[in-house]
Amino acid sequence: KAGVTQTPRYLIKTRGQQVTLSCSPISGHRSVSWYQQTPGQGLQFLFEYFSETQRNKGNFPGRFSGRQFSNSRSEMNVSTLELGDSALYLCASSLSGQSSYGYTFGSGTRLTVV
Amino acid sequence: AQRVTQPEKLLSVFKGAPVELKCNYSYSGSPELFWYVQYSRQRLQLLLRHISRESIKGVTADLNKGETSFHLKKPFAQEEDSAMYYCALSMETSGSRLTFGEGTQLTVNP
Repeated sequence: KAGVTQTPRYLIKTRGQQVTLSCSPISGHRSVSWYQQTPGQGLQFLFEYFSETQRNKGNFPGRFSGRQFSNSRSEMNVSTLELGDSALYLCASSLSGQSSYGYTFGSGTRLTVV
Repeated sequence: AQRVTQPEKLLSVFKGAPVELKCNYSYSGSPELFWYVQYSRQRLQLLLRHISRESIKGVTADLNKGETSFHLKKPFAQEEDSAMYYCALSMETSGSRLTFGEGTQLTVNP
Protein backbone atom coordinates (compact mmCIF):
# COMPACT_ATOMS: atom_id res chain seq x y z
CA LYS A 1 0.00 0.00 0.00
CA ALA A 2 1.09 3.58 -0.57
CA GLY A 3 3.16 5.25 2.12
CA VAL A 4 2.87 8.72 3.57
CA THR A 5 2.92 11.27 0.77
CA GLN A 6 4.02 14.84 1.26
CA THR A 7 3.72 17.58 -1.33
CA PRO A 8 5.48 19.52 -2.56
CA ARG A 9 8.96 18.04 -2.06
CA TYR A 10 10.71 21.39 -2.32
CA LEU A 11 9.54 24.94 -1.83
CA ILE A 12 11.24 28.32 -1.93
CA LYS A 13 9.43 31.26 -0.38
CA THR A 14 10.23 34.84 0.48
CA ARG A 15 10.18 36.27 3.98
CA GLY A 16 6.73 37.47 4.93
CA GLN A 17 4.90 35.09 2.64
CA GLN A 18 2.79 32.19 3.77
CA VAL A 19 3.01 28.55 2.77
CA THR A 20 0.80 25.46 2.89
CA LEU A 21 2.21 21.95 3.02
CA SER A 22 0.20 18.82 2.42
CA CYS A 23 0.34 15.32 3.84
CA SER A 24 -1.62 12.25 2.78
CA PRO A 25 -1.38 9.49 5.40
CA ILE A 26 -1.40 5.78 4.82
CA SER A 27 -4.87 4.59 3.97
CA GLY A 28 -6.76 3.84 7.16
CA HIS A 29 -4.46 5.89 9.37
CA ARG A 30 -6.37 8.53 11.30
CA SER A 31 -3.54 10.28 13.11
CA VAL A 32 -1.19 12.73 11.42
CA SER A 33 1.71 14.42 13.20
CA TRP A 34 4.01 17.13 11.94
CA TYR A 35 7.66 17.67 12.81
CA GLN A 36 10.22 20.30 11.93
CA GLN A 37 13.77 19.11 11.29
CA THR A 38 16.68 21.56 11.29
CA PRO A 39 20.44 21.06 11.72
CA GLY A 40 20.45 23.21 14.85
CA GLN A 41 17.31 22.06 16.66
CA GLY A 42 16.92 18.55 15.31
CA LEU A 43 13.45 17.04 15.14
CA GLN A 44 10.79 19.01 16.94
CA PHE A 45 7.12 18.19 17.30
CA LEU A 46 4.69 20.70 15.83
CA PHE A 47 1.24 19.20 16.30
CA GLU A 48 -0.92 16.12 15.87
CA TYR A 49 -4.34 15.73 14.38
CA PHE A 50 -6.73 12.87 14.93
CA SER A 51 -10.19 12.64 13.38
CA GLU A 52 -10.02 16.27 12.27
CA THR A 53 -9.16 17.55 15.76
CA GLN A 54 -5.87 18.90 17.01
CA ARG A 55 -5.00 16.58 19.85
CA ASN A 56 -1.49 17.67 20.74
CA LYS A 57 0.59 20.78 20.15
CA GLY A 58 4.29 21.58 20.43
CA ASN A 59 5.99 24.81 21.40
CA PHE A 60 5.76 26.73 18.18
CA PRO A 61 4.34 30.21 17.62
CA GLY A 62 0.82 30.74 16.37
CA ARG A 63 2.15 31.35 12.87
CA PHE A 64 2.25 27.58 12.57
CA SER A 65 -1.16 26.01 12.16
CA GLY A 66 -2.69 22.96 10.67
CA ARG A 67 -5.86 21.12 9.93
CA GLN A 68 -7.09 17.68 9.02
CA PHE A 69 -9.81 16.78 6.59
CA SER A 70 -12.42 14.03 6.81
CA ASN A 71 -10.28 11.77 4.61
CA SER A 72 -7.43 12.19 7.15
CA ARG A 73 -5.30 14.25 4.80
CA SER A 74 -3.62 17.08 6.64
CA GLU A 75 -2.28 20.48 5.76
CA MET A 76 0.17 22.63 7.63
CA ASN A 77 0.30 26.38 7.19
CA VAL A 78 3.02 28.82 8.14
CA SER A 79 2.21 32.51 7.88
CA THR A 80 4.57 35.48 7.82
CA LEU A 81 7.55 33.32 7.01
CA GLU A 82 10.89 34.01 8.68
CA LEU A 83 14.35 32.91 7.59
CA GLY A 84 14.47 30.60 10.60
CA ASP A 85 11.50 28.65 9.27
CA SER A 86 13.76 27.10 6.65
CA ALA A 87 13.65 23.40 7.46
CA LEU A 88 12.57 19.95 6.44
CA TYR A 89 8.95 19.44 7.50
CA LEU A 90 8.05 15.85 8.15
CA CYS A 91 4.65 14.31 8.43
CA ALA A 92 4.01 11.02 10.20
CA SER A 93 0.89 8.93 10.25
CA SER A 94 -0.33 6.17 12.51
CA LEU A 95 -3.41 4.07 12.90
CA SER A 96 -4.64 5.50 16.15
CA GLY A 97 -2.07 8.02 17.27
CA GLN A 98 -0.78 5.86 20.08
CA SER A 99 2.99 5.96 19.90
CA SER A 100 3.36 2.31 20.80
CA TYR A 101 2.05 1.39 17.38
CA GLY A 102 4.81 3.35 15.72
CA TYR A 103 4.69 6.04 13.12
CA THR A 104 5.35 6.02 9.40
CA PHE A 105 7.10 9.11 8.17
CA GLY A 106 6.91 10.80 4.80
CA SER A 107 9.90 12.01 2.82
CA GLY A 108 9.28 15.57 3.89
CA THR A 109 8.91 18.98 2.33
CA ARG A 110 12.07 21.05 2.26
CA LEU A 111 11.15 24.69 2.76
CA THR A 112 13.68 27.39 2.04
CA VAL A 113 12.87 30.95 3.06
CA VAL A 114 14.92 33.66 1.34
CA ALA B 1 10.28 18.35 31.05
CA GLN B 2 11.23 15.28 29.10
CA ARG B 3 14.55 15.20 27.33
CA VAL B 4 16.51 12.73 25.19
CA THR B 5 20.28 12.93 24.95
CA GLN B 6 22.49 11.19 22.44
CA PRO B 7 25.99 12.15 23.56
CA GLU B 8 27.76 11.18 20.35
CA LYS B 9 27.02 13.21 17.24
CA LEU B 10 29.39 11.09 15.18
CA LEU B 11 30.48 7.49 15.58
CA SER B 12 32.83 5.63 13.28
CA VAL B 13 33.57 1.90 13.46
CA PHE B 14 35.03 -0.75 11.22
CA LYS B 15 32.97 -3.45 9.56
CA GLY B 16 32.50 -6.43 11.85
CA ALA B 17 33.09 -4.42 15.03
CA PRO B 18 30.43 -4.13 17.75
CA VAL B 19 28.41 -0.94 17.86
CA GLU B 20 26.72 0.79 20.75
CA LEU B 21 24.75 3.97 20.21
CA LYS B 22 24.04 5.71 23.47
CA CYS B 23 20.73 7.23 24.49
CA ASN B 24 19.83 8.71 27.84
CA TYR B 25 16.53 10.22 28.79
CA SER B 26 15.03 12.27 31.53
CA TYR B 27 11.40 11.69 32.39
CA SER B 28 9.87 10.94 35.74
CA GLY B 29 7.07 8.71 34.48
CA SER B 30 7.00 5.54 32.39
CA PRO B 31 8.22 6.40 28.93
CA GLU B 32 8.03 4.51 25.71
CA LEU B 33 11.38 4.48 23.95
CA PHE B 34 12.12 4.06 20.27
CA TRP B 35 15.00 4.03 17.85
CA TYR B 36 14.50 5.51 14.40
CA VAL B 37 16.96 5.32 11.53
CA GLN B 38 17.43 7.54 8.50
CA TYR B 39 19.57 6.15 5.69
CA SER B 40 21.02 8.54 3.15
CA ARG B 41 18.28 10.09 1.00
CA GLN B 42 15.61 7.92 2.62
CA ARG B 43 12.81 8.70 4.98
CA LEU B 44 12.92 8.29 8.73
CA GLN B 45 11.86 4.78 9.69
CA LEU B 46 11.16 2.97 12.91
CA LEU B 47 13.93 0.56 13.85
CA LEU B 48 12.65 -0.78 17.12
CA ARG B 49 10.58 0.04 20.18
CA HIS B 50 11.27 -1.12 23.68
CA ILE B 51 7.70 -2.19 24.35
CA SER B 52 7.81 -4.97 21.80
CA ARG B 53 11.29 -6.19 22.78
CA GLU B 54 11.88 -7.12 19.17
CA SER B 55 15.16 -7.29 17.34
CA ILE B 56 15.40 -6.02 13.81
CA LYS B 57 18.44 -6.25 11.55
CA GLY B 58 20.40 -7.73 14.42
CA VAL B 59 20.02 -4.69 16.69
CA THR B 60 18.73 -4.71 20.23
CA ALA B 61 18.09 -2.09 22.86
CA ASP B 62 17.32 -2.58 26.51
CA LEU B 63 15.50 -0.06 28.58
CA ASN B 64 17.40 0.54 31.82
CA LYS B 65 15.12 2.53 34.07
CA GLY B 66 17.73 2.79 36.81
CA GLU B 67 20.23 4.46 34.51
CA THR B 68 17.50 6.04 32.34
CA SER B 69 19.17 4.70 29.25
CA PHE B 70 18.12 2.94 26.07
CA HIS B 71 21.36 2.15 24.28
CA LEU B 72 21.24 0.51 20.86
CA LYS B 73 23.58 -2.42 20.31
CA LYS B 74 24.67 -4.46 17.34
CA PRO B 75 27.33 -7.14 17.68
CA PHE B 76 28.73 -6.91 14.14
CA ALA B 77 28.44 -3.69 12.16
CA GLN B 78 27.90 -3.80 8.40
CA GLU B 79 28.61 -1.05 5.89
CA GLU B 80 24.89 -0.78 5.15
CA ASP B 81 24.31 0.19 8.78
CA SER B 82 25.82 3.61 8.05
CA ALA B 83 23.01 6.07 8.76
CA MET B 84 21.67 8.66 11.17
CA TYR B 85 20.14 7.09 14.26
CA TYR B 86 17.62 8.88 16.46
CA CYS B 87 16.46 7.87 19.89
CA ALA B 88 12.92 9.03 20.72
CA LEU B 89 10.68 9.09 23.74
CA SER B 90 6.94 9.22 24.16
CA MET B 91 5.42 10.12 27.48
CA GLU B 92 2.54 8.14 28.85
CA THR B 93 0.49 11.30 29.00
CA SER B 94 1.31 12.64 25.56
CA GLY B 95 0.16 9.72 23.48
CA SER B 96 1.40 10.61 20.09
CA ARG B 97 4.11 13.16 20.71
CA LEU B 98 7.68 12.00 20.18
CA THR B 99 10.66 13.79 21.69
CA PHE B 100 13.77 13.06 19.66
CA GLY B 101 17.42 13.13 20.55
CA GLU B 102 19.82 15.04 18.33
CA GLY B 103 20.88 11.92 16.50
CA THR B 104 24.12 10.00 16.01
CA GLN B 105 25.65 9.69 12.55
CA LEU B 106 27.10 6.18 12.34
CA THR B 107 29.73 5.43 9.72
CA VAL B 108 30.86 1.86 9.19
CA ASN B 109 34.17 1.71 7.38
CA PRO B 110 35.20 -1.25 5.20
